[in-house]
Amino acid sequence: DTEVTQTPKHLVMGMTNKKSLKCEQHMGHRAMYWYKQKAKKPPELMFVYSYEKLSINESVPSRFSPECPNSSLLNLHLHALQPEDSALYLCASSQVHTVDNSPLHFGNGTRLTVT
Amino acid sequence: AQSVTQPDIHITVSEGASLELRCNYSYGATPYLFWYVQSPGQGLQLLLKYFSGDTLVQGIKGFEAEFKRSQSSFNLRKPSVHWSDAAEYFCAVGAASSASKIIFGSGTRLSIRP
Repeated sequence: DTEVTQTPKHLVMGMTNKKSLKCEQHMGHRAMYWYKQKAKKPPELMFVYSYEKLSINESVPSRFSPECPNSSLLNLHLHALQPEDSALYLCASSQVHTVDNSPLHFGNGTRLTVT
Repeated sequence: AQSVTQPDIHITVSEGASLELRCNYSYGATPYLFWYVQSPGQGLQLLLKYFSGDTLVQGIKGFEAEFKRSQSSFNLRKPSVHWSDAAEYFCAVGAASSASKIIFGSGTRLSIRP
């Protein structure tokens, strides 16, 4: 069982749609992350929030818009996506935004298909 | 900048056999090293981590890994694999100076032969 919950599990959307991915954790972690994972590839970091503030944006296109309403929730708003954006989107959290003694806890991901 | 290489894309071992997955890293200082496992359709689960101290680290599910600075390696081992170990395994490296900038290797897919 994962302690990071992502919804929905699967999402199919058209290129003109607007949708949102949601992530929730109740471990008291203060850092939350979005990763994108293409098939047979490692996860690639997209965004990092630390204490509800955006601290890292890995040059992600503006059609992806993250939001952290509070310390337990993380959203990823999607608009005007392209078929190549189809991937598994993983949310993760950690106690704080440092590598040491603060491993990442991943959710099971949202499988996104853009048609 | 740090980087990590997993030379084996796919490995098949028989159930009950021993396992070693290779990982080589590149980083100027002492790295923070991790092994994660991902089952199909799932997120990643941390198996073990190395920050400092004893170079042989024990993890969950009977896995262990050994940090060898001279070889820039952090290989994952298990003495006897089970069919449930079939999954994708990712080695990852982090840098103390780069908060939470963890770089993942390309992964090794493990298949288990009955």
